[in-house]
Amino acid sequence: DQQVKQNSPSLSVQEGRISILNCDYTNSMFDYFLWYKKYPAEGPTFLISISSIKDKNEDGRFTVFLNKSAKHLSLHIVPSQPGDSAVYFCAALLYNNNDMRFGAGTRLTVKP
Amino acid sequence: DTAVSQTPKYLVTQMGNDKSIKCEQNLGHDTMYWYKQDSKKFLKIMFSYNNKELIINETVPNRFSPKSPDKAHLNLHINSLELGDSAVYFCASSPRLGADTQYFGPGTRLTVL
Repeated sequence: DQQVKQNSPSLSVQEGRISILNCDYTNSMFDYFLWYKKYPAEGPTFLISISSIKDKNEDGRFTVFLNKSAKHLSLHIVPSQPGDSAVYFCAALLYNNNDMRFGAGTRLTVKP
Repeated sequence: DTAVSQTPKYLVTQMGNDKSIKCEQNLGHDTMYWYKQDSKKFLKIMFSYNNKELIINETVPNRFSPKSPDKAHLNLHINSLELGDSAVYFCASSPRLGADTQYFGPGTRLTVL
């Protein structure tokens, strides 16, 4: 069962505009959420995370929003840059037992 | 139905032992992967396996060997386990090599004592 879903397989955005990547989860017990970025032929690299006690975490151009009631999180990138073009995975974690589940990924293409 | 499954979920073993972690995907995908996750949540790709073609990350010790009895399975065998092998290992699959979408298994936490 896919406990974490990224329903958009791809997203295309113009350079300088905002990119919004979405992720939904089904298990309300998840208490920590992460976003990973993946370039071709490499493993996913950690990007940003958020604890379930928060609804927003910001790191430079990257902001993650968490809506627990909707079991939804999103990653905002602003302004988007061509180097942001990659596949983005969201992941949800049951922190105490380190049970992590991944979404299937969304390819972001930022056009110059 | 679970798309990508791994067994066991937890594995605790002594240094020097040999162990295997099993991975199965029921998605009909051609490519499977093994990742190692370190304590900082970084995921390092270890192997990708596509239609009997094995692509190895050269930094992976040769104590680690993937074994694929068929397209739906990619097992990870580890010889002479060391303390530093303790980590969470994730299996994943994708429709083809280089495809964007990857479906991850739930992970196997290996603890070497």
